Amino acid sequence: DSGVTQTPKHLITATGQRVTLRCSPRSGDLSVYWYQQSLDQGLQFLIQYYNGEERAKGNILERFSAQQFPDLHSELNLSSLELGDSALYFCASSVVGRRGETQYFGPGTRLLVL
Amino acid sequence: AQSVTQLDSQVPVFEEAPVELRCNYSSSVSVYLFWYVQYPNQGLQLLLKYLSGSTLVKGINGFEAEFNKSQTSFHLRKPSVHISDTAEYFCAVLTQGGSEKLVFGKGTKLTVNP
Repeated sequence: DSGVTQTPKHLITATGQRVTLRCSPRSGDLSVYWYQQSLDQGLQFLIQYYNGEERAKGNILERFSAQQFPDLHSELNLSSLELGDSALYFCASSVVGRRGETQYFGPGTRLLVL
Repeated sequence: AQSVTQLDSQVPVFEEAPVELRCNYSSSVSVYLFWYVQYPNQGLQLLLKYLSGSTLVKGINGFEAEFNKSQTSFHLRKPSVHISDTAEYFCAVLTQGGSEKLVFGKGTKLTVNP
């Protein structure tokens, strides 16, 4: 158990819908990362937040957005969902997001878009 | 931009046999290197990482990896595998001086047979 929690574990929805994935980092960790794992693209970095502020952006679609709240939990919002958005979405956290610092991953949210 | 190549998508071995999972990376700057393991239906767990210093890195569960800068490789090894090592293994890089995002390889599925 990494100490990072993600809800829900599974999510089934339809194309065009909007969903919110939630992540609670390890106690004391200020930095949160979101990754997408799909069969064709593999594991890809989406976005990083540090203490409420966006720090780095990766291959995140404009239909996707994220935020980190004052209690440090983070939410990833996916809208206008397409079949290709079906994937496993991971959240990771680290203490301050320094380079080389270990990122601890949650169990993931498996999203299925029908 | 950096990239990671895991040369074998699947590696089947017998229990108690040695195993090597290969990883090569491409980057124009110095990197930090990581190996993560993903057990079925679970998140990613850090096995080991190389930041600096000794090029031979020891991790959890008896795994070790050797950083070879001239060959831009970071192969993962274990002298004697167990059934419980069956999982998917991901190599990842993070550039020094760049963002904190991890760039992952496509993964190697290790299957240990009795």
